Amino acid sequence: QVQLQESGPGLVKPSQTLSLTCSVSGDSINSGGSYWTWVRQTPGQGLEWIGYIYDRGSTNYNPALKSRLTISADYSNNKFSLRLTSVTAADTGVYFCTRDPIDGGFSFDFWGRGIRVTVSS
Amino acid sequence: IQMTQSPSSLSASVGDRVTITCRASRAIRNDLGWFQQKPGEAPKLLIHGSFNLHTGVPSRFRGNGAGTDFTLTITSLQPEDSATYYCLQDYSYPRTFGQGTKVEVK
Repeated sequence: QVQLQESGPGLVKPSQTLSLTCSVSGDSINSGGSYWTWVRQTPGQGLEWIGYIYDRGSTNYNPALKSRLTISADYSNNKFSLRLTSVTAADTGVYFCTRDPIDGGFSFDFWGRGIRVTVSS
Repeated sequence: IQMTQSPSSLSASVGDRVTITCRASRAIRNDLGWFQQKPGEAPKLLIHGSFNLHTGVPSRFRGNGAGTDFTLTITSLQPEDSATYYCLQDYSYPRTFGQGTKVEVK
């Protein structure tokens, strides 16, 4: 059974950087079989695809966030991370990590429980 | 690609047939998934490829459609189906979700 778990601070000050990590068990993030993805849920945008990392560092980002976003991976510890700079109140929400298998014809079959992030001074 | 769901909410009784609609702003073949989300939980994949039931999902959930117009039908609503339902297009990037339909079971 694949399990994902998000971790990071629940409170970030405006203009600072949000950093979150997703720990994965039951699958290897460098197997090349899935896009390891971040999705967030905000009051303003609802569910929003943030981006993914795949295959030893290839990434794909939401154009709306691309200028502020970095997704990276720690393959030795089977974790991947999100870094979002210059945060504002609009970045407040719940952040999920999820698996998007390349084959199988479906997306986002396993999810973390989510981590609530508040941007506030 | 914008995904528009309707209605935004509905209320129905146990045993009722319920249908939710999702419309894509342009054709997405049948690259459409449906998710169920309960409060405090992550979304759960119900249907992929427009009509394929994901593993373990009850058969009362049915998906249909292709191109721009899609439906999710719950053929006999159960108390545990109280949740918000979202469509997702996985035809192109960035992936986009509908705004959600909240289903209340009376």
